[in-house]
This record gives sequence, C-alpha cells and structure tokens, in this order.
Amino acid sequence: GQSLEQPSEVTAVEGAIVQMNCTYQTSGFYGLSWYQQHDGGAPTFLSYNALDGLEETGRFSSFLSRSDSYGYLLLQELQMTDSASYFCAVREGYNQGGKLIFGHGTELSVKP
Amino acid sequence: SQTIHQWPATLVQPVGSPLSLECTVEGTSNPNLYWYRQAAGRGLQLLFYSIGIDQISSEVPQNLSASRPQDRQFILSSKKLLLSDSGFYLCAGKGQDNSPLHFGNGTRLTVT
Repeated sequence: GQSLEQPSEVTAVEGAIVQMNCTYQTSGFYGLSWYQQHDGGAPTFLSYNALDGLEETGRFSSFLSRSDSYGYLLLQELQMTDSASYFCAVREGYNQGGKLIFGHGTELSVKP
Repeated sequence: SQTIHQWPATLVQPVGSPLSLECTVEGTSNPNLYWYRQAAGRGLQLLFYSIGIDQISSEVPQNLSASRPQDRQFILSSKKLLLSDSGFYLCAGKGQDNSPLHFGNGTRLTVT
C-alpha cells in the first residue's frame, strides 16, 4: 500500500528552528517534495529531493534518505507567517503518468 | 510560468444535484493534470490524473468522474452529489519534466 506519515502538529517559537519529518512507503519512488499550505489557500511548492542529502533554499532545507524511506523539512529563523500546514509528497512515477501522493500534513504554529 | 485557473471558488449544492468543476492551464503544453480533494484538516487525496487528451486515470472509485476534452482543460463531474462529496477540490498541473506541481486556488464545495 501507499502511506506517508507526518506528525500532525508542531509548535515552535519565532526565530527558532523546526524540523518536520516524513516517512513513506509507496509502490514507486521518484523523489520527495514539500508543499506549504496556508489556511484556506492552495498548496505551494517548497522543495524537492530526488537524491539522498540536503537541499537548501534560503531559510528552507529538505533532506532525504532513500535507504530509510525518510525525509524532513527544516525551517530556520521562523517567522509568524510560516504558520501553515506542510505536506510531504512522493512522486510515484517518472514524467508521463507520474503522480504525487501526499501525506496528511503537519500543522506548524509559530508563537511569538 | 504555469498558471492554473479554477472556478468557482465556492459552491453550495443540494444532495442529488449534478456537478461540473472546470480547470484550465496556461503556460505549458501537454501538461499532466490532476484533481485532488482535501477534507477539512486532512491531506490531499488524489482523485484523477491525466497525461493527455481523453487519457484519464482514476485513483479512487467513487461518485465522481473526470474528462479532458482539450489539452489544457480538465473537468471534474458528478451526476448526483452525495453529502460525502463535500470538500476542497484542487486542480493541479505540471509539465512533462521534473517541474513541481502547480495548484489552482481550489473550489470549496458544500453539499447540503
């Protein structure tokens, strides 16, 4: 079967660092993506890992270990506007026919 | 860049009524297109995806159907809505490469 596990909620303080984990079990694997969704809005793309290791984009970093079927999203210098839901998604196919399966998301609350 | 247009933003429909949600794509040709549904506080459930005109894959057997009459048009339909069809419906698209998924702004459907 297909499953992506994420903690349901995380709370952190403004200016701090937070890590949100994702473990997956899928029939195919062609990369792990991260999306951010503010309340009532559409998800927006943050980061993508096709290979093991760390990808950094500004305050956001994403890590992947394919042997552990595990990844995480790291947010540094947290801001109040980072309060949102964060979804990991596995790409099960390559190019044509490729589909993204999403986890249930982690709701991040940033406190002052 | 790719833009996903989706309408209406909100919709209230009685049980047993038909449904038609339309999505159009700008900025890329021959995109992969997707319909997702999101229940309140939950993850994104993949409903349908399409790799080309009249090529539709259904992920979850249910009361809904999808069609793609043109390259950049993707339609979600139902002949008779159920209460359980309520949710936030998101259309998404991506190019035929390693590009990320782009989402429309979503339609919040309430079946009464």
